[in-house]
Amino acid sequence: EAGVAQSPRYKIIEKRQSVAFWCNPISGHATLYWYQQILGQGPKLLIQFQNNGVVDDSQLPKDRFSAERLKGVDSTLKIQPAKLEDSAVYLCASSRGTSGEKETQYFGPGTRLLVL
Amino acid sequence: GENVEQHPSTLSVQEGDSAVIKCTYSDSASNYFPWYKQELGKRPQLIIDIRSNVGEKKDQRIAVTLNKTAKHFSLHITETQPEDSAVYFCAASLPFSGSARQLTFGSGTQLTVLP
Repeated sequence: EAGVAQSPRYKIIEKRQSVAFWCNPISGHATLYWYQQILGQGPKLLIQFQNNGVVDDSQLPKDRFSAERLKGVDSTLKIQPAKLEDSAVYLCASSRGTSGEKETQYFGPGTRLLVL
Repeated sequence: GENVEQHPSTLSVQEGDSAVIKCTYSDSASNYFPWYKQELGKRPQLIIDIRSNVGEKKDQRIAVTLNKTAKHFSLHITETQPEDSAVYFCAASLPFSGSARQLTFGSGTQLTVLP
């Protein structure tokens, strides 16, 4: 079974520029999550999709962050404009569902973002 | 929302000794508690998880215990090996609304196993 795929793996941009990250979840996984992991901290949930609908974006800074999962498979996370404090690893995870054994989350390798 | 505290932040043990990492959570509605291992520059990988309807779960050298009354859970690694060296994160999953699940992570424990 292929794992969660993410690209790019690394990105360096200047503040106020925009950036986009892409995620391809494990085949058949209905639920997709985006996390932000700042160096030395645990991942923090940004947004959760169930198929192509948002079920939780309460922790997403909506003034600059946006995400979509139009066809219920791949997802993109965008930051516009980026700030220095956005420097972090952005992790995508997926799960088969959200109850019982289905809620186990599998993580991608992440995109390491550096904002200068 | 949920708040998860994890201790210690760093832990060094001699190869063959046991390691214990402890976490507490704040919301009694949390009902799923996974543990992830993250090696430097790599993705978090699930090593063991426990649901609120059981008090203990074991998988070879790894075990997790859950005390719902006290709202704390612990990871136990026995007969540690150098390849166990990594950052370990605990997490608590809280039903949010509808099908949403908020997985809140602890701040991590850097485990170093000394040969």
